[in-house]
Amino acid sequence: KQEVTQIPAALSVPEGENLVLNCSFTDSAIYNLQWFRQDPGKGLTSLLLIQSSQREQTSGRLNASLDKSSGRSTLYIAASQPGDSATYLCAVSPLSGGYNKLIFGAGTRLAVHP
Amino acid sequence: GAGVSQSPSNKVTEKGKDVELRCDPISGHTALYWYRQSLGQGLEFLIYFQGNSAPDKSGLPSDRFSAERTGGSVSTLTIQRTQQEDSAVYLCASSFGAGGGINNEQFFGPGTRLTVL
Repeated sequence: KQEVTQIPAALSVPEGENLVLNCSFTDSAIYNLQWFRQDPGKGLTSLLLIQSSQREQTSGRLNASLDKSSGRSTLYIAASQPGDSATYLCAVSPLSGGYNKLIFGAGTRLAVHP
Repeated sequence: GAGVSQSPSNKVTEKGKDVELRCDPISGHTALYWYRQSLGQGLEFLIYFQGNSAPDKSGLPSDRFSAERTGGSVSTLTIQRTQQEDSAVYLCASSFGAGGGINNEQFFGPGTRLTVL
């Protein structure tokens, strides 16, 4: 059974720092991996999708990498801003058992203070 | 363009009542998903629709839960005889297609917060 773990569970940093959020998954047989952010009381906003054949994706100050063989992904946030404060969720689409469902980690709650 | 919309945004009901939650996917998206987010369980998959294919119901927690998708667009999630443990945020998502790759990128609605008293 696929399990997704995110470390750390919470993170508080001063504005301007570069951050790394970690995601690990137990079964490397995945179609893709998706990173989301969730603001309090809101739905999920898709940040990046990495296909299983890709190693990384970039969008603005965000860079996500994927090492499928070791079951790991990292989300790198450059020059963090208070507006980046949110919960960041990692999710994988497994090859077996229904590849169109996403299996989520518990998230990393990020607070960026001025 | 318009994103995924859900209604109502909040629903308070009494134990034992039936509730219906609605999802309007992004126009042109053929795949639609329902998830549930609760404090103790995190985000869990419930059900998935793709075109005219039979839905994947493998995540529905009990037979009190059902969903339908009419005309390949709007979907309704129905919970019968609600219980307190059904209290959660119900999230709907859609994607352009399915089967992996960029077409499978899921876009989420704002959710419906269900409270069962």
